[in-house]
Amino acid sequence: GNSVTQMEGPVTLSEEAFLTINCTYTATGYPSLFWYVQYPGEGLQLLLKATKADDKGSNKGFEATYRKETTSFHLEKGSVQVSDSAVYFCALSISGYSTLTFGKGTMLLVSP
Amino acid sequence: KAGVTQTPRYLIKTRGQQVTLSCSPISGHRSVSWYQQTPGQGLQFLFEYFSETQRNKGNFPGRFSGRQFSNSRSEMNVSTLELGDSALYLCASSLAPGSDSPLHFGNGTRLTVT
Repeated sequence: GNSVTQMEGPVTLSEEAFLTINCTYTATGYPSLFWYVQYPGEGLQLLLKATKADDKGSNKGFEATYRKETTSFHLEKGSVQVSDSAVYFCALSISGYSTLTFGKGTMLLVSP
Repeated sequence: KAGVTQTPRYLIKTRGQQVTLSCSPISGHRSVSWYQQTPGQGLQFLFEYFSETQRNKGNFPGRFSGRQFSNSRSEMNVSTLELGDSALYLCASSLAPGSDSPLHFGNGTRLTVT
């Protein structure tokens, strides 16, 4: 079956620190990969996506590269802000389907 | 453009009761999916609907059901509620099925079963 594994949190950083949240996957097809973010009391927002190997998704300073050889899609940001504090979810879907398989989520806490 | 709207925002029900949750997708979106979010199990897929037809269903008991109307609005129903059904239920819409059409999530309905 399909599964996504994320590093457990919380990840606690100071403002302007470098962020990495690890994500690896297993899939029975050729997946598209996503990062979603959830702010307190809200639903999920799509942060970035990549649909094929070596694609790099980017948005709001966040980046992730689809690495087929290591089945990974790690999220990075060069300088985090307090407003980045949220829960981040890595997810995959198989071509032709909208159904997302999510990781457990990683809480990020950024202090001033 | 209005986002995905879920109603009600909060619900408190008693074991054994049933509940209906509503989702209005973004205008023009014809695909609607439902997810359950709990601290223990995380986000789990419930159903996906497109053009009033269920395209896909997750691994949930038959107490969980859903439907989609001709205007793309969707409802999900949970019968004979159990304490373990307490969760945040998220609805998401997209233009059409497929991973090329990203999902847009609503803010969810928080269901508490006592």
